[in-house]
Amino acid sequence: SQQGEEDPQALSIQEGENATMNCSYKTSINNLQWYRQNSGRGLVHLILIRSNEREKHSGRLRVTLDTSKKSSSLLITASRAADTASYFCATGDNFGNEKLTFGTGTRLTIIP
Amino acid sequence: ETGVTQSPTHLIKTRGQQVTLRCSSQSGHNTVSWYQQALGQGPQFIFQYYREEENGRGNFPPRFSGLQFPNYSSELNVNALELDDSALYLCASSLVAGVEYEQYFGPGTRLTVT
Repeated sequence: SQQGEEDPQALSIQEGENATMNCSYKTSINNLQWYRQNSGRGLVHLILIRSNEREKHSGRLRVTLDTSKKSSSLLITASRAADTASYFCATGDNFGNEKLTFGTGTRLTIIP
Repeated sequence: ETGVTQSPTHLIKTRGQQVTLRCSSQSGHNTVSWYQQALGQGPQFIFQYYREEENGRGNFPPRFSGLQFPNYSSELNVNALELDDSALYLCASSLVAGVEYEQYFGPGTRLTVT
């Protein structure tokens, strides 16, 4: 079963705009990760945030985590056509347990 | 691209048949996880192998089984295929090394059951 939901399910924006995706989850977690998937192929790891962290940056990516609300957001700034993909959040529940529980994904389309 | 490879890329099988999917881990990684991704859904955890032993299993029936070999490559076997087994099967390798870990995914095998 899926851990949670991404919101929105689909998002279309103009190139250069910022894209924000949200993720909600149900159980306590050790960490939360965001992945990108192009055209139904393999997933690419973007960023990991631990349960004791509130915000993390990596290049044009900014991730926030609110464990009290069991939610996370992924912000992509200055979007590019190459950012068109599906984005998934995934939670790791136990320390050292590498089972990931994925959400349902957000389909992001960047319009040139 | 990651160093994780999967074969075959695509596969068509008939209901009731058996299938074996293969995965080669990234060099130096000793853990392999398998995921099933149905169309329009997020990946779902099938099971994980660590140093040739099963190390966790998701909510999948016993007809889904696996192996990990001494070189840390892995196989996923599915018996008595059902139509609902049609999906993208992803393997991911990682190195268990403490607090943080990253899973490196292969490109997947698309299985179609008719």
